[in-house]
Amino acid sequence: QKEVEQNSGPLSVPEGAIASLNCTYSDRGSQSFFWYRQYSGKSPELIMFIYSNGDKEDGRFTAQLNKASQYVSLLIRDSQPSDSATYLCAVTAGGTSYGKLTFGQGTILTVHP
Amino acid sequence: DTAVSQTPKYLVTQMGNDKSIKCEQNLGHDTMYWYKQDSKKFLKIMFSYNNKELIINETVPNRFSPKSPDKAHLNLHINSLELGDSAVYFCASSIKVNRETQYFGPGTRLLVL
Repeated sequence: QKEVEQNSGPLSVPEGAIASLNCTYSDRGSQSFFWYRQYSGKSPELIMFIYSNGDKEDGRFTAQLNKASQYVSLLIRDSQPSDSATYLCAVTAGGTSYGKLTFGQGTILTVHP
Repeated sequence: DTAVSQTPKYLVTQMGNDKSIKCEQNLGHDTMYWYKQDSKKFLKIMFSYNNKELIINETVPNRFSPKSPDKAHLNLHINSLELGDSAVYFCASSIKVNRETQYFGPGTRLLVL
């Protein structure tokens, strides 16, 4: 079983729609959850982080965390063609993990005009 | 001002050669990381240093040797390069270990022929 799992996609949505990206993780001790965006040929850049159960909103982006279900998601409202990228879910465990960030394989999102 | 920088950006070399990749961060962070992203875009941690001390050492061939001369620099030396080492190597840094957001450098694209 993969430690962090995402649908690889591609996920295709029309401009203006809501894109929903999902991620599950296997380590119940995981404490921190991150969404990174990676454009082709570029480095990952942080979109959002979430530590507590519930929703966290930042502009058009909403991260949702459910630790009981070991599930984290990212919603992108009013999707734009510039949102087309690979979205990486990443998780850190607590304790002596020393910030080890475990990534999912990424979901390719395409927003078409 | 580049927060996390890497040199070189591209590296093309022959099998069996030895090469180094350098990373510098000017963010004042305590912790630095090396990641490898393979052809399927899967991003995996290799090493992490906190204040020049090695704290994460994943299952990586011992041909790979990191070195941190000070907390702003983390270099990666690779001996006897193999075809399978071809990948993009990302350096990242965070304020401290555990839970903290990691900021990525632009990546070094290594191609072993």
